[in-house]
Amino acid sequence: DTGVSQDPRHKITKRGQNVTFRCDPISEHNRLYWYRQTLGQGPEFLTYFQNEAQLEKSRLLSDRFSAERPKGSFSTLEIQRTEQGDSAMYLCATPGTRGPSSTDTQYFGPGTRLTVL
Amino acid sequence: GENVEQHPSTLSVQEGDSAVIKCTYSDSASNYFPWYKQELGKRPQLIIDIRSNVGEKKDQRIAVTLNKTAKHFSLHITETQPEDSAVYFCAASKLTNDYKLSFGAGTTVTVRA
Repeated sequence: DTGVSQDPRHKITKRGQNVTFRCDPISEHNRLYWYRQTLGQGPEFLTYFQNEAQLEKSRLLSDRFSAERPKGSFSTLEIQRTEQGDSAMYLCATPGTRGPSSTDTQYFGPGTRLTVL
Repeated sequence: GENVEQHPSTLSVQEGDSAVIKCTYSDSASNYFPWYKQELGKRPQLIIDIRSNVGEKKDQRIAVTLNKTAKHFSLHITETQPEDSAVYFCAASKLTNDYKLSFGAGTTVTVRA
């Protein structure tokens, strides 16, 4: 257990619909990351938060994507007007709380698999 | 930005043999290099990491080596077992500012019984 939960685990939607994903770290961490993973590829960085501030966004994050972390705990990722190319696994990651790598290492949640029909 | 290349893309080994996966990175400022294992349908799981002030790190059957001059690092799995079959990803990060990870494309390892 990495201490990160994501909801929903699977989402099937029709093109043009809006979807929202949620990431809940069990323990509060000042940093929280979103990545996207398409089939056969490694995760790609989307955005990250330092507490409630969104400090960096990847070029992959078009204006249809928005992320929030309102209280510096859980985070949401919304995709508006979904396209088939948005189909991917969306992963949330936070630093760990155990071991000497605790502040540097990123531990992933189970992900939300999005399928856009 | 950082560019991480990973080779080979697939690797098949006989049970008990060793497996080696190699990665190169482009940004000389990168100083943290984790390795993740991902089984089908599951999350990437950290298996080992190394920082630039260390040249080698071992954890039981897994070891990672780092050559900062050449900007490459490798994962070594000894005495492979069927449960080592998975996709392995290398990544690189700068431990300043954002800490974001740049991943390689992955290596699918199959251990033949």
